[in-house]
Amino acid sequence: EAQLVEYGGGSVKPGGSLTLSCAASGFTFSNVWMSWVRQAPGKGLEWVGRIKTTAGGGTTEYSAPVKGRFTISRDDSKNTLSLQMSSLKTEDTAVYYCTTDFKQGYQGSWGRGTLVTVSS
Amino acid sequence: EIVLTQSPATLSLSPGERATLSCRASQSISSYLAWYQQKPGQAPRLLIYDASNRATDTPARFSGSGSGTDFTLTISSLEPEDFAVYYCQQGSHWLTFGGGTKVEIK
Repeated sequence: EAQLVEYGGGSVKPGGSLTLSCAASGFTFSNVWMSWVRQAPGKGLEWVGRIKTTAGGGTTEYSAPVKGRFTISRDDSKNTLSLQMSSLKTEDTAVYYCTTDFKQGYQGSWGRGTLVTVSS
Repeated sequence: EIVLTQSPATLSLSPGERATLSCRASQSISSYLAWYQQKPGQAPRLLIYDASNRATDTPARFSGSGSGTDFTLTISSLEPEDFAVYYCQQGSHWLTFGGGTKVEIK
């Protein structure tokens, strides 16, 4: 059974940077596309971006609100997914979930999430 | 961007009743639609993908239908654990989620 554990969340000031990580286990990480999905407090779900498999080119895709500010990477040797966030805005405040992404972008497995708070 | 509109925003029903949730896309997404369930304080869980395929461990009382722009999630007989928020999500062009439908106990 796939297990995903996010860590690295915390409080940061607007304009600051933060890196989230996700430790994956229970499946062959290198064979799976991975995504980040976020949820602002009391709000709905928002897809942040994803990374394809390394064998597939490791291409990344991002939603419009984060493109140019966020970078997704993966380390298949450590079964770890990362999300580097810079130029953070108050509207980036959310719980960030690490997910497995299959077929047409369906989010099959989810971590428990890590909270990022952007506030002065 | 493809916009998904879910209705109603809130559905008040009693255990044992049938729940019908709607998701409408702003343009055709074929059958590239998923449904998720989220309970308070928990991560979402995939229920249905490709509009009508149940994910692993999804009970048979959950069914999905539709194609093109109109989709439905039906819960045939609500169990106490089914009261939650449900989101639809499309994978036809980038990925977007609907705003959610809360199924609450009447």
